Amino acid sequence: GAVVSQHPSWVICKSGTSVKIECRSLDFQATTMFWYRQFPKQSLMLMATSNEGSKATYEQGVEKDKFLINHASLTLSTLTVTSAHPEDSSFYICSGGPGPTGELFFGEGSRLTVL
Amino acid sequence: QKEVEQNSGPLSVPEGAIASLNCTYSDRGSQSFFWYRQYSGKSPELIMFIYSNGDKEDGRFTAQLNKASQYVSLLIRDSQPSDSATYLCAVNIRPYSSASKIIFGSGTRLSIRP
Repeated sequence: GAVVSQHPSWVICKSGTSVKIECRSLDFQATTMFWYRQFPKQSLMLMATSNEGSKATYEQGVEKDKFLINHASLTLSTLTVTSAHPEDSSFYICSGGPGPTGELFFGEGSRLTVL
Repeated sequence: QKEVEQNSGPLSVPEGAIASLNCTYSDRGSQSFFWYRQYSGKSPELIMFIYSNGDKEDGRFTAQLNKASQYVSLLIRDSQPSDSATYLCAVNIRPYSSASKIIFGSGTRLSIRP
């Protein structure tokens, strides 16, 4: 399958700081990027959908001013967690697609810990 | 009602047996269905996708789709300890609109006991 690279894999930050997570599609052009969040032993929760060159569409309950998503090119999307708090600690996963059969290709995930 | 529902398990199956994982979805307009496997602390990886009613086989895996019943399942034959993972059912809802998105079920934890 296609490759999506996500960076950083792990990040620890102090409460109140901002953290940026990058997601790159290495061998295909992802017209759409999806950002998911996963708390321990829970499923993937879709946070937002972004299309290249347009504003992201956020799911209900997700604060767009807190989770800034930028999809400036067909190969790069970023998620910035602004003024992070301990409750933002989670596993954040990006995915790009759709692939030829409609599937999503996932990045490796970024585990954020806010102290 | 959740858009995609799965039994959270854990489902315990002896090695060599058939593991059966089930999923139901609420959006009748859904057209494409996916099964992902996720090991603890890792990202999901695609196992199979299915679009048409009936069965689709790939090695030890068989996906089954029944759109009338809004039901999709995954069978794993000759289960191996390495199959122990959480299996996520995913559905592409509103696939032909700009609001198309893939929604995941809560996942079923599968444990293969030696």
